Order: sequence, then structure tokens, then C-alpha cells
Amino acid sequence: QVQLQQRGAGLVKPSETLSLTCAVSRGSFTGFYWSWIRQFPGKGLECIGEINESGGTNYNPSLQSRVTVSLDASKNEFFLTLTSVTAADTAVYYCARKSAADGWYDPWGQGTLVTVSS
Amino acid sequence: QSVLTQPPSVSAAPGQKVTISCSGSSSNIGGNYVSWYQQFPGGAPKVLIYDNVKRPSGTPDRISGSKSGTSATLGITGLQTGDEADYYCGAWDSSLRVVVFGGGTRLTV
Repeated sequence: QVQLQQRGAGLVKPSETLSLTCAVSRGSFTGFYWSWIRQFPGKGLECIGEINESGGTNYNPSLQSRVTVSLDASKNEFFLTLTSVTAADTAVYYCARKSAADGWYDPWGQGTLVTVSS
Repeated sequence: QSVLTQPPSVSAAPGQKVTISCSGSSSNIGGNYVSWYQQFPGGAPKVLIYDNVKRPSGTPDRISGSKSGTSATLGITGLQTGDEADYYCGAWDSSLRVVVFGGGTRLTV
């Protein structure tokens, strides 16, 4: 069964770049979308962006100018970078596998609380 | 503010039935599949229902999903205290071209 394991910094300074990695075990990138989702302190969920096996990406229009999702198939990992962060980017960040472009998420990573603060 | 609308909370007694509604528009629920997720405090969401009505292995058959027009409903029968959690609906939005979610519903048993 596919498992996703996240790692990355939990504290980022304002105006700097958030970087997270999601390692995929017991599965391949083929046939799925590999996504990043965040959950704000008030519970709301927001899709950030995703990438497919061919490197095609799709980003939330509200974040498109600041976000990059990439993957390294040789390492079975995919990545999130979010530039110019502010306090409004403080959230729990999840990686997840999506079944199709318009599909559903399963499984999810364990989540990483990222706090933006000086 | 979430694109999909859910009630903030619902409650029912053990053994009873509860439904959680999710309202959207023609660009999301009305034209695309709905999925439902369960989240316990401190944990990651877990899919309960996908493609409106399908249950992944591990979801008991006392949990069901339905969709009509621009609304969807999650139903749970035979409530147990272990069902206490937050529940979220999600759907692809053809206009925004992202999956959008409801604000979540806290279930109290």
C-alpha cells in the first residue's frame, strides 16, 4: 500500500521560501497526480498544486505566481516550493496522491505544520 | 471562505443516523464527482466516499454518499462514539480547475 512521508522546515521567516518534500513508498508515479493541500488553523482546506508523471502541473490560481511543484521519479519524491511567504501562509501542509485530474485524494501524508514568523 | 457549504456541526445519539450536507454549484458538484473525507484531531484526512457513492475498502457500509443536482449528502447510520470527527466534502471545480472543499462539519455522537 502506497505511503507518503513528508519532511521540511516547520518555521519559515516572512518573505522567505517554504520548501517541503514528500517521499512515496510502495508505489510509482504512473497514472496519478501528486498534490499539495494545506489546512488553515480555522480548518479550511485549500488545494495548492499538483504534478503528474509527465511533469505536467496544475496550480491554484490564487497561488500560481508563488508556487512550484516538481518531482524526482528516480528518488520517488515530489516537492513544494512557495515563495514570498507571509503569516497568511501559516497552515498544516499535506501531500497526497490524486486518482485523476478531477479525482479524489488517497492516501495523504502525515502533515507538516508550517509557521511563518520572524 | 470555502467554495462548498457544509453545516459547522451535527450531533446525534449512539446508534442513530446522521446526514451531512454539502452544497455547491454547477461548476463543481453539479458537473463533477464528490468525495468525502474523515479527519480526527491531529490526523490527516482520509477518504470515506469517492465518485459520489463509492466506498474504498475499509469504509463500512453504514457510511453512504449521494448526490442530487448541486448538493451532496454523507450519511452515517448506527453511530458510534468512534465516528466523532470532522467531515469534509470535496469536488473538482471546472471553472477554477482545482478541487474545492467544504469548510468541514464536526460530528458529535
